[in-house]
Amino acid sequence: EVQLVESGGGLVQPGGSLKLSCAASGFTFSGSAMHWVRQASGKGLEWVGRIRSKANSYATAYAASVKGRFTISRDDSKNTAYLQMNSLKTEDTAVYYCTRHRWYEGFDWFDPWGQGTLVTVSS
Amino acid sequence: SSELTQDPAVSVALGQTVRITCQGDSLKNYYASWYQQKPGQAPVLVIYGKNNRPSGIPDRFSGSSSGNTASLTITGAQAEDEADYYCNSRDSSGNHYVFGTGTKVTVL
Repeated sequence: EVQLVESGGGLVQPGGSLKLSCAASGFTFSGSAMHWVRQASGKGLEWVGRIRSKANSYATAYAASVKGRFTISRDDSKNTAYLQMNSLKTEDTAVYYCTRHRWYEGFDWFDPWGQGTLVTVSS
Repeated sequence: SSELTQDPAVSVALGQTVRITCQGDSLKNYYASWYQQKPGQAPVLVIYGKNNRPSGIPDRFSGSSSGNTASLTITGAQAEDEADYYCNSRDSSGNHYVFGTGTKVTVL
């Protein structure tokens, strides 16, 4: 079964740091680009960033709202992707999802998605 | 612009057809994918590419695209189709991604 499981969410004070993990199983993780997407309560989905595979030099890209504060990494030996979040702001409060990027003949899509992990930034 | 705009809410009678649209400049160059999200659950892929359904998605879901607009159509809507729907595409740079504003579908 293709599966993603996030962990590491919790309560953190403004200005603090948190590292999320995304454990993958059921597919060739090392060959897949992995993305993070977040959703504030009652709001829509927001793309956070991505990391490509080793074949694509582990290239990363980030949304403007998190660039310079968030870092995405991966450990292919553990089939796990990470989201390091620093200098957290109250507006970073959201459920964070990881998802596998798929691409074929010019089509992009995300499948599967993890169940999400809640990050709350509050004093 | 890197925005994808959707109608906030639509309603459809049980068994009838509803179309959800997604507008944005990037859709002139990139296909959209569509995601269904029910309360308290993670998004689920329903359509990708020109009109491709993942395994397990009913054939009442279909997709189309023209110019700067992508559409998701539910033909013969069922009660279980009541959910939020989001489109997604690369942005105009091609290096980032953007989600639509989301459409809440109510089945009457």
